[in-house]
Amino acid sequence: DVKVTQSSRYLVKRTGEKVFLECVQDMDHENMFWYRQDPGLGLRLIYFSYDVKMKEKGDIPEGYSVSREKKERFSLILESASTNQTSMYLCASAGVVSYNEQFFGPGTRLTVL
Amino acid sequence: GQQVMQIPQYQHVQEGEDFTTYCNSSTTLSNIQWYKQRPGGHPVFLIQLVKSGEVKKQKRLTFQFGEAKKNSSLHITATQTTDVGTYFCAGALKAAGNKLTFGGGTRVLVKP
Repeated sequence: DVKVTQSSRYLVKRTGEKVFLECVQDMDHENMFWYRQDPGLGLRLIYFSYDVKMKEKGDIPEGYSVSREKKERFSLILESASTNQTSMYLCASAGVVSYNEQFFGPGTRLTVL
Repeated sequence: GQQVMQIPQYQHVQEGEDFTTYCNSSTTLSNIQWYKQRPGGHPVFLIQLVKSGEVKKQKRLTFQFGEAKKNSSLHITATQTTDVGTYFCAGALKAAGNKLTFGGGTRVLVKP
């Protein structure tokens, strides 16, 4: 059974802290994505990666960075968390033709105080 | 940039009734996908439409892709309580690289 896992379901951090969100997939997928989900706004793409060490900005990359050192792992980094980054963060992966089906992780609900 | 809009944002449906949710893109799409997210869950892929005018069915769900490949619809017949959740469309555009643009979703609530 295919699986995308995320390091935490819930996370509470303080303004200014550095935050790491980790995502691991076991499907040997080339493509991985980070989205944030806010009510009424759907899923907005932050960053994606189509290969190890490769990354591309999505629609809302400001305030975020990513790292993909291994094929199965894609990390989202908030360099200095702010309250407007309080959100649900979803990781997804997809096979070679990345606009085929995306498989999502369970999400991390991040609260920044 | 590319925008994908869904209407309605909320849909209250009496159990047993039909409803339709609509998805519109500002640009012509390569394909469109639909996902369902149950309350407290994560989005799960339902279907992908690729061809102009394509219609696909999954039991009580009917998906259509417009002739101009700029809009799509999801029609559910005889709504059941298991249909509760948020339905997202997501458009893919080759020129935009390997990514999907999601609509805002239609949240479906079913009245028993």
